Amino acid sequence: DAGVTQSPTHLIKTRGQQVTLRCSPKSGHDTVSWYQQALGQGPQFIFQYYEEEERQRGNFPDRFSGHQYPNYSSELNVNALLLGDSALYLCASSSTGRRTDTQYFGPGTRLTVL
Amino acid sequence: AQKITQTQPGMFVQEKEAVTLDCTYDTSDPSYGLFWYKQPSSGEMIFLIYQGSYDQQNATEGRYSLNFQKARKSANLVISASQLGDSAMYFCAMREGSNFGNEKLTFGTGTRLTIIP
Repeated sequence: DAGVTQSPTHLIKTRGQQVTLRCSPKSGHDTVSWYQQALGQGPQFIFQYYEEEERQRGNFPDRFSGHQYPNYSSELNVNALLLGDSALYLCASSSTGRRTDTQYFGPGTRLTVL
Repeated sequence: AQKITQTQPGMFVQEKEAVTLDCTYDTSDPSYGLFWYKQPSSGEMIFLIYQGSYDQQNATEGRYSLNFQKARKSANLVISASQLGDSAMYFCAMREGSNFGNEKLTFGTGTRLTIIP
């Protein structure tokens, strides 16, 4: 049973650039949530996708956008990168259809903005 | 007000001893879920244990148990017989609302646990 996978593992970008991070949910899961974890802090909720639509959004600017595909995989896009966007980006999957109450996380993508 | 409070930034525990990691929460929603995750230095958040607000019994998963005191709004994680591999960051998180699979998690600031041989 494959768990949550994320790519790439690490990424280095410069200010102003754009980045796309990818996530494949755990088998049987239909909901994907994205979190940003700055160094030394707990993860902060960015947004959640279900049925290819953004269902909830945290306190993040519009520079952060996402997408979910019919196979439930998801992308996180960040435009006009700032130094403060440097963080570990975590994807978590869960199942709305099965009403499971646990989000399982992937290994994360570590983004460095120079 | 912080929704999840973890007051222990770091803890050092002798191998094979039991350890309790503190977590208090704040919510007015009668339906909520409490989670503990372990984050090794590799970065992946590993799910450990879950407690629902309506669960009558404290949750247990192997060496992990959750000491749920609803009236005090605390959900402490207890690790019995600690092992060197338990050294990691531990996060307490909460889901508010009753739409399972449909709610964001709010995390605390974490506790760094170090197991001493």
